Order: sequence, then structure tokens, then C-alpha cells
Amino acid sequence: SYELTQPPSVSVSPGQTASITCSGDKLGDKYACWYQQKPGQSPVLVIYQDSKRPSGIPERFSGSNSGNTATLTIRGTQAMDEADYYCQAWDSSTGVFGTGTKVTVL
Amino acid sequence: EVQLVESGGGLVQPGGSLRLSCAASGFTFTSYWMSWVRQAPGKGLEWVANIKQDGSEKYYVDSVKGRFTISRDNAKNSLYLQMNSLRAEDTAVYYCASLPSSSWNFDYWGQGTLVTVSS
Repeated sequence: SYELTQPPSVSVSPGQTASITCSGDKLGDKYACWYQQKPGQSPVLVIYQDSKRPSGIPERFSGSNSGNTATLTIRGTQAMDEADYYCQAWDSSTGVFGTGTKVTVL
Repeated sequence: EVQLVESGGGLVQPGGSLRLSCAASGFTFTSYWMSWVRQAPGKGLEWVANIKQDGSEKYYVDSVKGRFTISRDNAKNSLYLQMNSLRAEDTAVYYCASLPSSSWNFDYWGQGTLVTVSS
């Protein structure tokens, strides 16, 4: 079955840039999206179709996808961005989520 | 305002059954694929099932095939998940989510309903 692998944790200082990777076989041939989940809350879509931002998502969130790796970048990270982040893609009509990354803003 | 409200969760014994419901409002339900996604306590997200707008196509994660059935009632703007032969590993918060066919991402999520499988 298809798998998406993320680093378990990423730490970033306020105002700095956080990058979260998502690795999967030929992931660049698929669309990747990213979800943010804060404790006790439902996930929120932050990036879809590799690099598009839904309405209401700050410009500091951006995405890319090429080869075997999709990347979510948060520029000028704020304390409110501290959360779990999950990548997600489709493989033959089957949904696959990444393993998740906890972003800590120190 | 888009709303997805799940209900039907609870405590059930191993081998038992449960039916989850999701009431949708604030968008054109019949234009969307719909999905169930679950999250075990302290764990990551796991896609469970999808259903097409007219119910003609359904897809499931391997671990629930033959045990879970996704369905919808477009007249009631409602999504369902019938869960049979429940196992301890099915314990999770179950979210319903809308899935636009134009972009294939989960754009709206409900608040989730907790299913606990335990004796």
C-alpha cells in the first residue's frame, strides 16, 4: 500500500521559517494537500493541489511538490502555527495521510 | 455557513455494531463526494471511506472492507457509516468531511464523534 512519511517533529523560532517534508513514491505525480490540526480541534485544510491556499489561510503558508517529496513551508512562523500537520494524497481512489509532524514554536 | 455534524458514536463491545450519521448544511450536498476519516487516540489521521455524489461509487481502506458500509441520503443531506464486527482497533474519533471533485481535498470537516470499542 502507498505510504507518506513525515518527520515526527519540527521546531522553529518565532518569525523564522519552518519546512515540513512529506515523502512518497512518485508523489510529484500526484496532488498533495496539507492539513493543520490543533489539540482538540478538527483538521483544517491549509494547502491543496500542491501549492494553492484556501480562502482565509495566511500567505505565510506555501507548498511545493516534486519528485518524491512535497513540502509545506511556513514563513514568519507565529505561535498560533504550533500544531500537528498532515500531508495527504490519493492513490487509486484510496486516501492516504502522512504520518504527521508536530510543529513546535519555541 | 457550512456545517457537518456527526452523531451516533459511543461505547460498543467487540463484535458489535454502530451507525454513524453526519448532517450536512450550508452547501450543495449533492455536488460533493463525501468521506469518513478517523483518528485513534493520540494517533494520526486515517482515511476510511468515500462515496460519490449519487452513491454509485464507494471506496474503503482495506482494514474496514467487508465490515463498514458508507451510504448517503441526498434528500436528507446526510451521510452514514454502518460499522459492523467492530474491533478494539476501530476505536477513534470519526470525522465526516466533504470532498469536492474539482480539487480532491477535504475542504470541510465535522467536529467528530468518538467510537470506543471495549468490553
